[in-house]
Amino acid sequence: GAVVSQHPSRVICKSGTSVKIECRSLDFQATTMFWYRQFPKQSLMLMATSNEGSKATYEQGVEKDKFLINHASLTLSTLTVTSAHPEDSSFYICSAKRDRTDTQYFGPGTRLTVL
Amino acid sequence: LAKTTQPISMDSYEGQEVNITCSHNNIATNDYITWYQQFPSQGPRFIIQGYKTKVTNEVASLFIPADRKSSTLSLPRVSLSDTAVYYCLVGDSTSGTYKYIFGTGTRLKVLA
Repeated sequence: GAVVSQHPSRVICKSGTSVKIECRSLDFQATTMFWYRQFPKQSLMLMATSNEGSKATYEQGVEKDKFLINHASLTLSTLTVTSAHPEDSSFYICSAKRDRTDTQYFGPGTRLTVL
Repeated sequence: LAKTTQPISMDSYEGQEVNITCSHNNIATNDYITWYQQFPSQGPRFIIQGYKTKVTNEVASLFIPADRKSSTLSLPRVSLSDTAVYYCLVGDSTSGTYKYIFGTGTRLKVLA
């Protein structure tokens, strides 16, 4: 149990385009989902927290207009990188929790490369 | 914020027990301690979680002293496939919202 999937697993796009990444909890309902970014050889950095049906909470320094997060259902959250630039190239990972006391279960990650 | 500190890297040989310690001096009363394993280009995988004393599952043990300012992940008999980065994570919910801060992680290399 507690499986989280992400789609796509990797994406390559041109600078200026937008990319949407999906995060799904496959066998449980996630009241809260998280989005992280990880650069090579570095640790995970929390970008934002989203609760189903409400606006996401962004960490300091993360542009909410650039990284749009939608958590429309208890099993799906999406991250849209708008007007992507090469510096947005990174490994994006989502995680989900069933409730406040639950541990986080992570997705497999999405490798974004912006040319 | 419950920032964590771990050794950056460790080497071990197959069959040995490996202990990785994490310090989290600012841990809050309600925070749990969770350890994850991450392989290159994959998401972190849950290993074990605890609040105090000792927790054991089929892959690891977690030791937490009474003051909870540190924790130790123990991998009983490592194999080459345990080569990975290990993170301890302490949730910070003191502000009423989640604040998860991953530390640098410990890069474990298991040698034959």
